[in-house]
Amino acid sequence: AQSVSQHNHHVILSEAASLELGCNYSYGGTVNLFWYVQYPGQHLQLLLKYFSGDPLVKGIKGFEAEFIKSKFSFNLRKPSVQWSDTAEYFCAVGGSGNTGKLIFGQGTTLQVKP
Amino acid sequence: NAGVTQTPKFQVLKTGQSMTLQCAQDMNHEYMSWYRQDPGMGLRLIHYSVGAGITDQGEVPNGYNVSRSTTEDFPLRLLSAAPSQTSVYFCASSSSWADTQYFGPGTRLTVL
Repeated sequence: AQSVSQHNHHVILSEAASLELGCNYSYGGTVNLFWYVQYPGQHLQLLLKYFSGDPLVKGIKGFEAEFIKSKFSFNLRKPSVQWSDTAEYFCAVGGSGNTGKLIFGQGTTLQVKP
Repeated sequence: NAGVTQTPKFQVLKTGQSMTLQCAQDMNHEYMSWYRQDPGMGLRLIHYSVGAGITDQGEVPNGYNVSRSTTEDFPLRLLSAAPSQTSVYFCASSSSWADTQYFGPGTRLTVL
């Protein structure tokens, strides 16, 4: 069965610090990988996605993620966080097959201190 | 283009009551899903649909029913509300199984 695990549940950083949020997935076939963000009081929106090709994916607002197939990982990174990055971040996996299912991780709450 | 809309935004129910959460999208997306968001548990898939007339269960389907009579609408029915169904419910749609999902603003449901 598909599963997604995010290791960091709550991260607190100061502005300008670097960020890396871990995401590991379990799935036996072709996957598409996503990071979604939920800013306070807002609904989820796409940060970046990986379907195929270059395993280093760049998203909005300076975020990037690297797909490492051998480690079943899709970690999110940002070199220098801002206070406005305070949000909840979700990793998600969509499996192969015409199913439309997307499985989410538990989420990581990022708090950036000014 | 309104995207994905959900009604109501807030709802309080008593145990045993039934209700329907509405979801509509105007992007002509085939794929629609319902999730519930609970603290520390992320988003869990309740039911999903790959097109009009086709629905299937997700991770946590018990206590919920769905139907998809049109491409635009995907209502979620709570048959007999329980306190364990207190949650925030999100509807999402996408053009294909692998594509970006667009989320609605959510419905915050409290069951007393």
